[in-house]
Amino acid sequence: AQSVAQPEDQVNVAEGNPLTVKCTYSVSGNPYLFWYVQYPNRGLQFLLKYITGDNLVKGSYGFEAEFNKSQTSFHLKKPSALVSDSALYFCAVWGGGGATNKLIFGTGTLLAVQP
Amino acid sequence: GAGVSQSPSNKVTEKGKDVELRCDPISGHTALYWYRQSLGQGLEFLIYFQGNSAPDKSGLPSDRFSAERTGGSVSTLTIQRTQQEDSAVYLCASSLVSLDTQYFGPGTRLTVL
Repeated sequence: AQSVAQPEDQVNVAEGNPLTVKCTYSVSGNPYLFWYVQYPNRGLQFLLKYITGDNLVKGSYGFEAEFNKSQTSFHLKKPSALVSDSALYFCAVWGGGGATNKLIFGTGTLLAVQP
Repeated sequence: GAGVSQSPSNKVTEKGKDVELRCDPISGHTALYWYRQSLGQGLEFLIYFQGNSAPDKSGLPSDRFSAERTGGSVSTLTIQRTQQEDSAVYLCASSLVSLDTQYFGPGTRLTVL
């Protein structure tokens, strides 16, 4: 079965420092991986996705993610964090083929950027 | 352009009542999804529509939950005889075609007293 894991409930980083939010996956077949961000009392906003191609994927708001097949990881990164990046981040994987196109989400990582 | 919209934004109901939640997907999107977000269960899939049909209903937690989609557009999620454990944020998402990026609405926060 497809699954993703986000090992950190919370990540703290100082403004201006680089940030990494970790995600590992377990899939059968090719992984289709996503990152979403959720601000308080808001829905999920799409950041980026990996389907195929370059291992480094660039997305919205200066975020990028690196697909690493050997480590089965898809970590979210940003070179310089902003206070406004503080939010809840979800990694997700497509639930497999057949009739379902559902997303399976990790448990989320709360990113706190201190000024 | 307009994103996914959901109504109501908040719904408070009494245990045992029925509720209807509405989702308006992005215009032209053929695929529509319902998810539920709760403290205990995280983000979980409920149902997927392709057009007006629902190839995957595997996430509906009980037969009290049902959903329909009409005209390939608006969808309603109905919960009958609500229970306190139904309290959650119900999120709708749509994508242009299946196997495409899903865009989410702001959600409906359901509280069952």
